[in-house]
Amino acid sequence: KAGVTQTPRYLIKTRGQQVTLSCSPISGHRSVSWYQQTPGQGLQFLFEYFSETQRNKGNFPGRFSGRQFSNSRSEMNVSTLELGDSALYLCASTGQTNERFFGPGTRLTVL
Amino acid sequence: AQTVTQSQPEMSVQEAETVTLSCTYDTSESNYYLFWYKQPPSRQMILVIRQEAYKQQNATENRFSVNFQKAAKSFSLKISDSQLGDTAMYFCASRDDKIIFGKGTRLHILP
Repeated sequence: KAGVTQTPRYLIKTRGQQVTLSCSPISGHRSVSWYQQTPGQGLQFLFEYFSETQRNKGNFPGRFSGRQFSNSRSEMNVSTLELGDSALYLCASTGQTNERFFGPGTRLTVL
Repeated sequence: AQTVTQSQPEMSVQEAETVTLSCTYDTSESNYYLFWYKQPPSRQMILVIRQEAYKQQNATENRFSVNFQKAAKSFSLKISDSQLGDTAMYFCASRDDKIIFGKGTRLHILP
């Protein structure tokens, strides 16, 4: 099976812009979760989707949003970008035994 | 609140030695899962080992084993016969309704 894929892999934006990141889970996986990884804060949970419904949400401002499509692909959107949003954004799909299978991540740099 | 604490930000050991990474967690749930993930430099995060809280037997995967102390809420990872390829960031994680990661331990295996 193909692994989790994320696009784009690298992104450079300026403050105030918005960005959309995409994630395709492993075939057959219906749950997708998103994480922000920074050197200072580590891995922080953003949100989790299952069958197009947000099941859980972390402690991030409303500028961070997401959605899941009927084919389980997911997107996350960050509006009004701030310098502190620079991070590696990881997507993971959930296997049958609850483990997360991670994608390679999208590295977002906000200038 | 669900928390995961890794008290060792960085460790170094010689190749072939045994190393133990510490992790403590807190959860109010009785049914939960614990994981160790490995993130090699500039590479994808992968699952090392998982443990269901209801299982008393410690999980083992080849050179990787855990010491799960449920009453103490401790979940340490032991790497035996360490190899250069074990150099990575290691994250402990717990999942009840959502997955929470510790801040990670950077492990260096020295030749």
